[in-house]
Amino acid sequence: AAGVIQSPRHLIKEKRETATLKCYPIPRHDTVYWYQQGPGQDPQFLISFYEKMQSDKGSIPDRFSAQQFSDYHSELNMSSLELGDSALYFCASSLLTHTDTQYFGPGTRLTVL
Amino acid sequence: SQQGEEDPQALSIQEGENATMNCSYKTSINNLQWYRQNSGRGLVHLILIRSNEREKHSGRLRVTLDTSKKSSSLLITASRAADTASYFCATDERGSNYKLTFGKGTLLTVNP
Repeated sequence: AAGVIQSPRHLIKEKRETATLKCYPIPRHDTVYWYQQGPGQDPQFLISFYEKMQSDKGSIPDRFSAQQFSDYHSELNMSSLELGDSALYFCASSLLTHTDTQYFGPGTRLTVL
Repeated sequence: SQQGEEDPQALSIQEGENATMNCSYKTSINNLQWYRQNSGRGLVHLILIRSNEREKHSGRLRVTLDTSKKSSSLLITASRAADTASYFCATDERGSNYKLTFGKGTLLTVNP
């Protein structure tokens, strides 16, 4: 079965650079969630989209923005990167009528040097 | 804010033994889910229990939910070395637009 695809899988950036993370949800899933997991930490909710509209916002810095496109894929844009942004970034998708289960992608490991 | 607290933080057992992990949360929920994560890898969905359910089984997994105590437990029976991973509970709070709030996780080590 198709799963959530995230790209890139690994990304290395310098401080103050920008990064764009991409997420391709499971086909027919209309809802996308972004989570950040720091080293040794639990995942923290950043932001979610349903039908291309932002549906909820968590602890996402103002330096970060995200959107969901007409094909339901989503991009997380991160600017002015800081060392503390180094983390695993997960995307998850679900179908609104079955919102119970969120299926997670493999994550993008971002390292800021 | 952190919703869930898991107990214990780390658990080491021998293959064949049972492993029990607990999770507590603070708010009203729609459901509670358990996820597994191998070191630095993705989150794999294990089982979901709804707020009106008390117990659920899936293979070697048994989950209980006590909404009066705001707690859940995950039991893995007849553990295997391949069960070694971190286990997280995640709650879907009522009125939260389905975002998940994760617990701190339990690192389970199953020794062969």
